[in-house]
Amino acid sequence: GAGVSQTPSNKVTEKGKYVELRCDPISGHTALYWYRQSLGQGPEFLIYFQGTGAADDSGLPNDRFFAVRPEGSVSTLKIQRTERGDSAVYLCASSLGDRSYNSPLHFGNGTRLTVT
Amino acid sequence: RKEVEQDPGPFNVPEGATVAFNCTYSNSASQSFFWYRQDCRKEPKLLMSVYSSGNEDGRFTAQLNRASQYISLLIRDSKLSDSATYLCVLNTGNQFYFGTGTSLTVIP
Repeated sequence: GAGVSQTPSNKVTEKGKYVELRCDPISGHTALYWYRQSLGQGPEFLIYFQGTGAADDSGLPNDRFFAVRPEGSVSTLKIQRTERGDSAVYLCASSLGDRSYNSPLHFGNGTRLTVT
Repeated sequence: RKEVEQDPGPFNVPEGATVAFNCTYSNSASQSFFWYRQDCRKEPKLLMSVYSSGNEDGRFTAQLNRASQYISLLIRDSKLSDSATYLCVLNTGNQFYFGTGTSLTVIP
């Protein structure tokens, strides 16, 4: 079946611009996670949705970052006034969520964001 | 203190060698554990779950020691295709925590 889909796969933007990154999780997965990964590091947690609500947004680095999941499926990560330090690979993952705590994460291919 | 500590390596081993990675974790309430493999410029992919009794999948063996709060991954008869970064992951019920990854290179 279809896996987690992320678009775009690559995004180059100028400092100060606004970007949106999209994630389409595996059908039926209620939990959706956003991570950010820099070279040589493990994924860094940003935000987690259970259904439509953000269950934990403690990883968002500042108020320039925001994410939504209005219908409990597709999620959009929004970054305002981008900075060069935002350059990273943004990974989305989904899991079965509350229904099974043993359910692993399934990742999308990621969006490589470059801020020039 | 990080939730998960993992030796970043790198580990460079010859083909056919046995290699082991460990991760320690700090949250005793951690409920489930996983090993992921990540190839260069790719997303992490699930390698195997880690069960309390230990589990094996071909050349790969995963073990969990709750008393000492560590998990391990053993790779036997290493292949060139095993070269990758291996990430240990734990789930506390809602949240997944990742190690920094251990880099493995298998040398011909």
